[in-house]
Amino acid sequence: DTGVSQDPRHKITKRGQNVTFRCDPISEHNRLYWYRQTLGQGPEFLTYFQNEAQLEKSRLLSDRFSAERPKGSFSTLEIQRTEQGDSAMYLCASRQDTEAFFGQGTRLTVV
Amino acid sequence: KNEVEQSPQNLTAQEGEFITINCSYSVGISALHWLQQHPGGGIVSLFMLSSGKKKHGRLIATINIQEKHSSLHITASHPRDSAVYICAVLDYGGSQGNLIFGKGTKLSVKP
Repeated sequence: DTGVSQDPRHKITKRGQNVTFRCDPISEHNRLYWYRQTLGQGPEFLTYFQNEAQLEKSRLLSDRFSAERPKGSFSTLEIQRTEQGDSAMYLCASRQDTEAFFGQGTRLTVV
Repeated sequence: KNEVEQSPQNLTAQEGEFITINCSYSVGISALHWLQQHPGGGIVSLFMLSSGKKKHGRLIATINIQEKHSSLHITASHPRDSAVYICAVLDYGGSQGNLIFGKGTKLSVKP
């Protein structure tokens, strides 16, 4: 297992388009997290899953954002009708007990 | 009050200096991670601590569970150490899926 992988690494999209990111966690990690990070800031919590159940969502996650983890393995984060303010790094982490691993992130630029 | 506080927020050092970054937390934790993020890059886990001290090369991390405090030390700092260093805790509480990040310390090491 090579760790948490995210795809794509970079995405440039036009305002108003929809984008989808994927996160593949460490195998058998039951918790999966999504974070957003803007320049100069620490990661901000968006949502997390325990297996396939989405247990918590931040108020940062507007109705244009949706996350799924249909089989309790990989997860997707979709942003509809992107806005320039959505430009950020989107980070995924997975966790089992006290071990947490972090993906390289997907950098989104909305032009 | 944030549950995880880091200090300083920004740090500039000369090459060769000994550097200390601090992390204080207000929740009961099961483990603490020190993470490194280079500009535009993903997050790399440096250490995971639940007690005591760990050393890897020029990096040393300590944690005092009673005082709810951890420090990351860099000996003989080098310009390639320039990055954002983030403290993240795995807590026993119920918020954010129990994985809470500090806002990070931006380190710049000048040659």
